Amino acid sequence: DSGVTQTPKHLITATGQRVTLRCSPRSGDLSVYWYQQSLDQGLQFLIQYYNGEERAKGNILERFSAQQFPDLHSELNLSSLELGDSALYFCASSVGPEVPYEQYFGPGTRLTVT
Amino acid sequence: DAKTTQPPSMDCAEGRAANLPCNHSTISGNEYVYWYRQIHSQGPQYIIHGLKNNETNEMASLIITEDRKSSTLILPHATLRDTAVYYCIVRSMNYGGSQGNLIFGKGTKLSVKP
Repeated sequence: DSGVTQTPKHLITATGQRVTLRCSPRSGDLSVYWYQQSLDQGLQFLIQYYNGEERAKGNILERFSAQQFPDLHSELNLSSLELGDSALYFCASSVGPEVPYEQYFGPGTRLTVT
Repeated sequence: DAKTTQPPSMDCAEGRAANLPCNHSTISGNEYVYWYRQIHSQGPQYIIHGLKNNETNEMASLIITEDRKSSTLILPHATLRDTAVYYCIVRSMNYGGSQGNLIFGKGTKLSVKP
């Protein structure tokens, strides 16, 4: 158990819908990262927050957005869902925003878009 | 960040040491070597990281060559539960931008056999 929690574990929804994925970082960690893992793309970095502020963006679509709240939990919002958005979404957290702080990953949310 | 090269797959007998190689011949002086693993569809798990010196923790040992162009992750007594994809990742500790996130390659699929 990494100490990072993610809800829900599974999500099935239809194309065009909007969903919200939630992540609670390990106690004491200020930085949160979101990653997407699909069969054809592997693990891809989406976005990072540090202490409530956006820190870095990766391959995140404009239909996706995220935020980190004052209690440090984070939410990833996915809208206008397409079949290709079906994937595992992982949240990770670390104490600091950069190397050499290691990241600890949650168990993931499996999103299925039908 | 320096590119890494790993064999796509390896086998190891249960109870024996698993030695997973990683080549990072273009690594620079401020780049760390990280190892993560992912057991089927679970969240990636941090194993160990190092800069120059060899490192050991309760999970594994990391041996970095003197010229830092390659490294080996050693699982001293592999068990069936160590079957996973192992990722070697090189990350710079320069400030700013997307330096905090991890870039996952294809990794090495380690199969531990009875």
